[in-house]
Amino acid sequence: SQQGEEDPQALSIQEGENATMNCSYKTSINNLQWYRQNSGRGLVHLILIRSNEREKHSGRLRVTLDTSKKSSSLLITASRAADTASYFCATDAGGGNKLTFGTGTQLKVEL
Amino acid sequence: SAVISQKPSRDICQRGTSLTIQCQVDSQVTMMFWYRQQPGQSLTLIATANQGSEATYESGFVIDKFPISRPNLTFSTLTVSNMSPEDSSIYLCSVTVATGRETQYFGPGTRLLVL
Repeated sequence: SQQGEEDPQALSIQEGENATMNCSYKTSINNLQWYRQNSGRGLVHLILIRSNEREKHSGRLRVTLDTSKKSSSLLITASRAADTASYFCATDAGGGNKLTFGTGTQLKVEL
Repeated sequence: SAVISQKPSRDICQRGTSLTIQCQVDSQVTMMFWYRQQPGQSLTLIATANQGSEATYESGFVIDKFPISRPNLTFSTLTVSNMSPEDSSIYLCSVTVATGRETQYFGPGTRLLVL
């Protein structure tokens, strides 16, 4: 399987704290995308980082990419209870925009 | 972006029956995909739905089990045939909106339970 690995599998933090999730993958990629899923519903696209980029920001989100280590991290700053969800990384290795998803991190932000 | 709807949102089916899931997009899109998410698991790509031609299936998925149609640039269906309890999953369609635009947008999913 080409599925990537994410860690931690589960993360519980207090509101206001930062949350960091890591993603490792196995093949060369064109881009890596992060998604959020609330309670087994549809996925919400958060951010896309291309293979020639090292860092990207969007609001409270910061994504880094290290292609030499085949890894990425997602940082959510000043977390809120509404950030409670599962977070998935997905890699696009080229050839038809097909995505390979990581195993996911379940984030719980407590009040 | 794109607004994507799926029907039905959920269903409970008996084994041996078939269910067709619809995916409708509010605008013409380039690529359409179908994914499966088994309980507590991540997403796995089933196939790429090709407009006007046969879908392209990933390893482990076959047309007889998961026939797919895409008659135009805004609509696709996925049929789960001869269902068994192992087919209980969330099925999601996704799209890319333009050539060169890699971001994929996902529908809300169809939650299927097979008894």
